[in-house]
Amino acid sequence: GAGVSQSPSNKVTEKGKDVELRCDPISGHTALYWYRQSLGQGLEFLIYFQGNSAPDKSGLPSDRFSAERTGGSVSTLTIQRTQQEDSAVYLCASSPRPGPETQYFGPGTRLLVL
Amino acid sequence: AQSVSQHNHHVILSEAASLELGCNYSYGGTVNLFWYVQYPGQHLQLLLKYFSGDPLVKGIKGFEAEFIKSKFSFNLRKPSVQWSDTAEYFCAVLGAGFQKLVFGTGTRLLVSP
Repeated sequence: GAGVSQSPSNKVTEKGKDVELRCDPISGHTALYWYRQSLGQGLEFLIYFQGNSAPDKSGLPSDRFSAERTGGSVSTLTIQRTQQEDSAVYLCASSPRPGPETQYFGPGTRLLVL
Repeated sequence: AQSVSQHNHHVILSEAASLELGCNYSYGGTVNLFWYVQYPGQHLQLLLKYFSGDPLVKGIKGFEAEFIKSKFSFNLRKPSVQWSDTAEYFCAVLGAGFQKLVFGTGTRLLVSP
């Protein structure tokens, strides 16, 4: 079956612009996670959704970052007024049940802020 | 709080050499432990995981890892690497009661043919 998909695969933007990153989880997966992978930083947890609610937003680095999930499916991560330090690969993962023990990762969106 | 340390950032090996990648975690309670692999141009995927029981866990492609609770370690091993094992390897911990994985910074493995 189809895996987790993310779009766009690459995004180049200018400092100060807003960007939206999209994640389509595996159908039927109730849990959805966003991570950021920066050079030399490993994977950094951003936010976790169970259904449409986000019980844990503790990883969002600033109030410029927000995310939503609708219909228990697609999720959008929005970064407002992008900064150069936002450049990273943003990864999405979904899981068939609460808890990240069984996560399936998407290919990521590579964001470059000039 | 949970944390994970991967001390080897880059490892270069020749084919057929043995591999051991270190992973140490910090969390005092019950843990689940994971190794993920990201091959060039591919998605991050699960290599193996430890939840309970036998501390020696076998994963795909001949990899194994041993959970040593007294050392807070979960090192990844493979007796004989292949060129196709060239990838980035991430260790992760999930502490009991937590809902998010905490990843290490990763180890880039280059296997020369």
